[in-house]
Amino acid sequence: EAAVTQSPRNKVTVTGGNVTLSCRQTNSHNYMYWYRQDTGHGLRLIHYSYGAGNLQIGDVPDGYKATRTTQEDFFLLLELASPSQTSLYFCASSDAYGDQNTLYFGAGTRLSVL
Amino acid sequence: AQSVTQPDARVTVSEGASLQLRCKYSYSGTPYLFWYVQYQRQGLQLLLKYYSGDPVVQGVNGFEAEFSKSDSSFHLRKASVHWSDSAVYFCAASMYTNTGKLTFGDGTVLTVKP
Repeated sequence: EAAVTQSPRNKVTVTGGNVTLSCRQTNSHNYMYWYRQDTGHGLRLIHYSYGAGNLQIGDVPDGYKATRTTQEDFFLLLELASPSQTSLYFCASSDAYGDQNTLYFGAGTRLSVL
Repeated sequence: AQSVTQPDARVTVSEGASLQLRCKYSYSGTPYLFWYVQYQRQGLQLLLKYYSGDPVVQGVNGFEAEFSKSDSSFHLRKASVHWSDSAVYFCAASMYTNTGKLTFGDGTVLTVKP
């Protein structure tokens, strides 16, 4: 069974603060993704990566940076957090050599920016 | 613009009743289609997917969905729901098989009354 672990599970910060969300997958998948989930918007893709050192821009990238340090680890960085970034963030992975559209999700990180 | 619409934000049914959750897509071609489910405090999990062929696809836990090109729809069905089916259901679509980039609908919250 694929395993995707996100940390922290909950985070509160202030406007202008610096936040890093972490994601680790242990199923040797090449592809990893960061989504945000907001009421009325479903899930929206922020950034994704095809492998260590690779970064692709998603549909809502403004205000976010990401870095893929290893095949297992994908980080989402908010360097000047704003209240509009209050959301539920999901990390996911998929297998480049299988069905890339079958995403395996972590349990999510709930971020509040005050 | 490509989009996925789930017209029903909330659906409530009694245990043992049949269920249909609606999904409409707007794409220039025929996308690949998916249903994901999110149980409380968990990440999303794939229920079923349609790539081609038989328009009725079977998924886990007795769920099935039917693709209709003429109606641009991919509705999810279950003959008899259980209280444990209470969750948020997301319809998603992609024009690609090799990127994992999905467009999600806003989700439908299903409540099953005992």
